[in-house]
Amino acid sequence: DTEVTQTPKHLVMGMTNKKSLKCEQHMGHRAMYWYKQKAKKPPELMFVYSYEKLSINESVPSRFSPECPNSSLLNLHLHALQPEDSALYLCASSQGLGNTIYFGEGSWLTVV
Amino acid sequence: GENVEQHPSTLSVQEGDSAVIKCTYSDSASNYFPWYKQELGKRPQLIIDIRSNVGEKKDQRIAVTLNKTAKHFSLHITETQPEDSAVYFCAATPGAQKLVFGQGTRLTINP
Repeated sequence: DTEVTQTPKHLVMGMTNKKSLKCEQHMGHRAMYWYKQKAKKPPELMFVYSYEKLSINESVPSRFSPECPNSSLLNLHLHALQPEDSALYLCASSQGLGNTIYFGEGSWLTVV
Repeated sequence: GENVEQHPSTLSVQEGDSAVIKCTYSDSASNYFPWYKQELGKRPQLIIDIRSNVGEKKDQRIAVTLNKTAKHFSLHITETQPEDSAVYFCAATPGAQKLVFGQGTRLTINP
């Protein structure tokens, strides 16, 4: 089973709102990732967690705040976003760093 | 850092013909090369991958070849079918920390 579950599937938020994207995996994977994908572009890495610790932050603006409450869960807290932040946000996981990465279905975010 | 270039950006083939997508990478430390297929509105799905200690890997109609010396790898799809139509992304992993993706190839299979 290579299931990574993301909620919500769609989110519309105003620029002053605070919202969160959630991701869950039950494969025992120890690495989890957030990617952002704009239309007709490849996924772009935002954050990597390894063993629940932040391993990589790709210079993402502070209006995006990741959180890894435990080895199965990964959240992305959103605050004061801009319209250009509208995109597909993909969560992914892998057994460890350097192993095969499996993506969730994504959360479609629209900032108005 | 790692840079992955992918060609062509669009590819149109007749059903039943073969399709080839090529990628080059810059970081000789990269050792894992997956290929993802992404259908419209869906997530990227791994279709095949290869590690740097292997030169070729095949799975039914799909094959990947790797030339470490030249730093390039290719995806080969034989006997293409309409359901193969999608965007394909190659990727490389410098330092086992993250995937660096190519820009993608939009493959269209014409019936």
